Amino acid sequence: DTGVSQNPRHKITKRGQNVTFRCDPISEHNRLYWYRQTLGQGPEFLTYFQNEAQLEKSRLLSDRFSAERPKGSFSTLEIQRTEQGDSAMYLCASSPQTGGVDTQYFGPGTRLTVL
Amino acid sequence: GNSVTQMEGPVTLSEEAFLTINCTYTATGYPSLFWYVQYPGEGLQLLLKATKADDKGSNKGFEATYRKETTSFHLEKGSVQVSDSAVYFCALYSSYKLIFGSGTRLLVRP
Repeated sequence: DTGVSQNPRHKITKRGQNVTFRCDPISEHNRLYWYRQTLGQGPEFLTYFQNEAQLEKSRLLSDRFSAERPKGSFSTLEIQRTEQGDSAMYLCASSPQTGGVDTQYFGPGTRLTVL
Repeated sequence: GNSVTQMEGPVTLSEEAFLTINCTYTATGYPSLFWYVQYPGEGLQLLLKATKADDKGSNKGFEATYRKETTSFHLEKGSVQVSDSAVYFCALYSSYKLIFGSGTRLLVRP
């Protein structure tokens, strides 16, 4: 079990550019989540996948954000036309489907800085 | 809506002191409750959880009891160490997602 991995760990971009982040969940975890964490705050839910199906999206996820999970394995989060307000830590988590309350395991995050 | 409120930090303690970090929640029903910890430069790690009222979660000397009467899930440790310095997040589970508090920074001095 290698844990949840995220790449890149840091991304600096200029306003208006597009960025894409990748998350590799713990193998055999069929649920995958994206959260955003700004400085001094707790993580906020963005979206959730069960296998390849995106089942819920937060209102925080504007039209400039898109997430995919092809084949139900890794996931990507793309931000188009980045804005300075997008600067944050983007966290990915995964969990097994147990039929009860699933414990979510988090990756190290991707820190995005928009200049 | 569902929400979590944590005491503001930073909390500064001397080594071997007793720790309490307060957490209260607002929710429909009785959600499962979690404490996560974020060490400097690292990702969120699950510290402990409780899935129903009166459950006590415990790990690494930390404990928290799910109190439905006071809608609370306070984190406690009898004797903190310098290595416990981190940010602690209380969270509730609602419809597949976690709702977090704003975090409490703990600084333990030798």
